[in-house]
Amino acid sequence: GESVGLHLPTLSVQEGDNSIINCAYSNSASDYFIWYKQESGKGPQFIIDIRSNMDKRQGQRVTVLLNKTVKHLSLQIAATQPGDSAVYFCAEMPNFGNEKLTFGTGTRLTIIP
Amino acid sequence: GAGVSQSPSNKVTEKGKDVELRCDPISGHTALYWYRQRLGQGLEFLIYFQGNSAPDKSGLPSDRFSAERTGESVSTLTIQRTQQEDSAVYLCASSLLEGTDTQYFGPGTRLTVL
Repeated sequence: GESVGLHLPTLSVQEGDNSIINCAYSNSASDYFIWYKQESGKGPQFIIDIRSNMDKRQGQRVTVLLNKTVKHLSLQIAATQPGDSAVYFCAEMPNFGNEKLTFGTGTRLTIIP
Repeated sequence: GAGVSQSPSNKVTEKGKDVELRCDPISGHTALYWYRQRLGQGLEFLIYFQGNSAPDKSGLPSDRFSAERTGESVSTLTIQRTQQEDSAVYLCASSLLEGTDTQYFGPGTRLTVL
């Protein structure tokens, strides 16, 4: 079956540095990917998304890269701030317009002041 | 405007009891989703409502789980005869439309079954 997983469960980054969070997916037919941020005690918050017909998308301080050849997704956060400390999940939608998301386990990002 | 709200924020119950969890979506959002998040894990899809269409119940783990939604408003997730493995955070999300429209999540209900 489909699965979405993360390479690293935890990541510590010095404040001001850039961080990269990685995600692997197994369903080559997946069409849509989302990164969510979840702070302690809160629900996930949408960060950025990307369709499978793209390989890069940029937001404010965040960039998502999609490598369909190796089924790999990454989230880059530039100039990290203490408020970036959270658990980050990638999520996969197998078919565009199919509403069910499959979430990965998550990576805990800690920003060191 | 107000976001997605859920109640209660915490629920402790005894094994075998029934529980009801409530979700108030963002006003005007036609789609509503329930997810379960076990400790240290990702989100597990449970059920999806879209307008007046029949809900997608394919993620419900057993017949002890059910959910209802009144029109395009409040939804209730019911777990009957709770088991310890039901302990988790139950998250609700809503989106304006279906498909890839951004899902906005509530803070969740932390359920602990003793």
